[in-house]
Amino acid sequence: DVKVTQSSRYLVKRTGEKVFLECVQDMDHENMFWYRQDPGLGLRLIYFSYDVKMKEKGDIPEGYSVSREKKERFSLILESASTNQTSMYLCASTAGTGGRNEQFFGPGTRLTVL
Amino acid sequence: SQQGEEDPQALSIQEGENATMNCSYKTSINNLQWYRQNSGRGLVHLILIRSNEREKHSGRLRVTLDTSKKSSSLLITASRAADTASYFCATDAAGTALIFGKGTTLSVSS
Repeated sequence: DVKVTQSSRYLVKRTGEKVFLECVQDMDHENMFWYRQDPGLGLRLIYFSYDVKMKEKGDIPEGYSVSREKKERFSLILESASTNQTSMYLCASTAGTGGRNEQFFGPGTRLTVL
Repeated sequence: SQQGEEDPQALSIQEGENATMNCSYKTSINNLQWYRQNSGRGLVHLILIRSNEREKHSGRLRVTLDTSKKSSSLLITASRAADTASYFCATDAAGTALIFGKGTTLSVSS
């Protein structure tokens, strides 16, 4: 059974804290993605990675960075959390290139920044 | 850069009825996908339709694609309460990454 796991379902952090969100997939997928989801805005792509140590900015990368040191793990980092980063964060992975394959999603992390 | 836009934003029906939701997009695509999201959970892939296909079925799901109108529709037949969820279309216009629409929230009451 294929699986994408995220380190936390719920997280509460203080403004200014450094926050790490971890995502692990067990499908040997090349591509991994981080999205944030907000009411009325749908899913917006923050960053994606198509290989180890490779990354590409998505639509809203400001305030975020990512790390992919191993193929199965993709981390999202909030260097200095702010209240406007309160959101649901979703990780996904897919094999191959382009949009020809389905993306597999983790259960999401609901982050609250106070 | 929102590509897909679902319509309607919200849909309420009774069990047993059919549910139809639409997706429009702006630029040429190779594939269009539909996903489902239960409240507070991750997305689950439902179906993928390629640009050279016009219709595809999977169980109670029927997806159509009209590339000339840049639109797709998802039909769920004989809806059940368990179909209550948000449904998203996603296109591959961005290359490796998908672009998701804002979703249609479907509520099926018994």
